[in-house]
Amino acid sequence: GAVVSQHPSRVICKSGTSVKIECRSLDFQATTMFWYRQFPKKSLMLMATSNEGSKATYEQGVEKDKFLINHASLTLSTLTVTSAHPEDSSFYICSAREGASVDEQYFGPGTRLTVT
Amino acid sequence: RKEVEQDPGPFNVPEGATVAFNCTYSNSASQSFFWYRQDCRKEPKLLMSVYSSGNEDGRFTAQLNRASQYISLLIRDSKLSDSATYLCVVNIRGGADGLTFGKGTHLIIQP
Repeated sequence: GAVVSQHPSRVICKSGTSVKIECRSLDFQATTMFWYRQFPKKSLMLMATSNEGSKATYEQGVEKDKFLINHASLTLSTLTVTSAHPEDSSFYICSAREGASVDEQYFGPGTRLTVT
Repeated sequence: RKEVEQDPGPFNVPEGATVAFNCTYSNSASQSFFWYRQDCRKEPKLLMSVYSSGNEDGRFTAQLNRASQYISLLIRDSKLSDSATYLCVVNIRGGADGLTFGKGTHLIIQP
C-alpha cells in the first residue's frame, strides 16, 4: 500500500512553544490529507481536513489559530501546534487519500507530543 | 449519543476460537464503513471495508446491517497475532471527508 510518513515521531516541548509536525505522502500525490488526535484510551478524533492549495476545514471545537495547517504541495501537509500547553499532549496522526476512493486512506505512524 | 459505539472490551479469547464484535452508528445517512486495526501506540491500519452484501477476507468476515445501523466483524481460528484494538470506522458525510472512529474493541488472544 501507499506510504505516509510523519516527522517527528516524538517531541517533548515546553509550555508556550510551538511545534510543527510534517505529514508526507511518499509515493503518491494527496490532494486531501486529514489530521487526527488521539488521547490515551480514546478514539481518534478528526481535527481538520487539509486541502492542497486552499484553507483547511476544521472540525467543530478545534481552534484554527491554535492548530495551523498548511498544505503547500501534493505531498506535504504541516500541522503547527502554537503556544502549546500540557493539555495539547496527545498522539497526532495524519492520513492521506490516494485517488477518489475513500478506501484508499493511509495513515502516518503518528507523532507523540508531550508538553511539559 | 456517540456517532460510533463499540464495546471496549477487553475480550479475552483462547487461541483458535471464533470471536465477533459489533458496532453501531447513529447517522443513517452514513456512506462507508470500515474495520481498522490498531496496535499499541501505533497508527491504525485498514483491515477491511464493509459492504452491505458482506465480505470475507481469509479468517475475517464483515457484515453491514443498514436497517439496524450496525456493523460486525467475525474472526475465525484466532491467532496470537490478532491481539490488537479493532476500530469501527464510518465515513458519515461521504466524499472526500475524514473518518469517524469508534473507541475500539480491545482483543487479547491467549495461548
